[in-house]
Amino acid sequence: DAGVIQSPRHEVTEMGQEVTLRCKPISGHNSLFWYRQTMMRGLELLIYFNNNVPIDDSGMPEDRFSAKMPNASFSTLKIQPSEPRDSAVYFCASSPQGTNYGYTFGSGTRLTVV
Amino acid sequence: LAKTTQPISMDSYEGQEVNITCSHNNIATNDYITWYQQFPSQGPRFIIQGYKTKVTNEVASLFIPADRKSSTLSLPRVSLSDTAVYYCLVGDRYNAGNMLTFGGGTRLMVKP
Repeated sequence: DAGVIQSPRHEVTEMGQEVTLRCKPISGHNSLFWYRQTMMRGLELLIYFNNNVPIDDSGMPEDRFSAKMPNASFSTLKIQPSEPRDSAVYFCASSPQGTNYGYTFGSGTRLTVV
Repeated sequence: LAKTTQPISMDSYEGQEVNITCSHNNIATNDYITWYQQFPSQGPRFIIQGYKTKVTNEVASLFIPADRKSSTLSLPRVSLSDTAVYYCLVGDRYNAGNMLTFGGGTRLMVKP
């Protein structure tokens, strides 16, 4: 298994631009999570999907952030418009069932907004 | 959700056994304890999970006392490559609505 695949690995964009981060979970995993990590705030859970349905997006910082999971093998996290304070490493993780069954994380996308 | 408390940092030397303790005083009956390891520029990696007593795998051991209000991750004979941040999480294994929050973790530095 290739694990959780995220793209791109690095993204540099200008303030105000739209940014789309992509994630392919492990086949057969029915839970998908988006996390953001910064030095100041650590790992923050943004949103959680179960069976492609968003269960809780209370961690999404504001309306500029949106996430979708159109099918079991693909999810996107979009920021529009992006701001410098969005600079962080964004991780996607998937889990075979429930939420505490051993997440598998992707390698992350390092986003820099200038 | 059960809140966890763990030391911010620890130092050790190669070849030593390292024990990292996590406190979770308000752990619920259905909660499991899970530990993750994170290297710089990588996502966290699942190490071990347990409910009570002792769990051991090829990487580590997890000790959980009877009251389950704490747990200890034990890394035998650490090497330089074990330098990482270690996170303790507590949550309901089978509750899809019980999301997990990572705390600050314990930064382990292994010295030669």
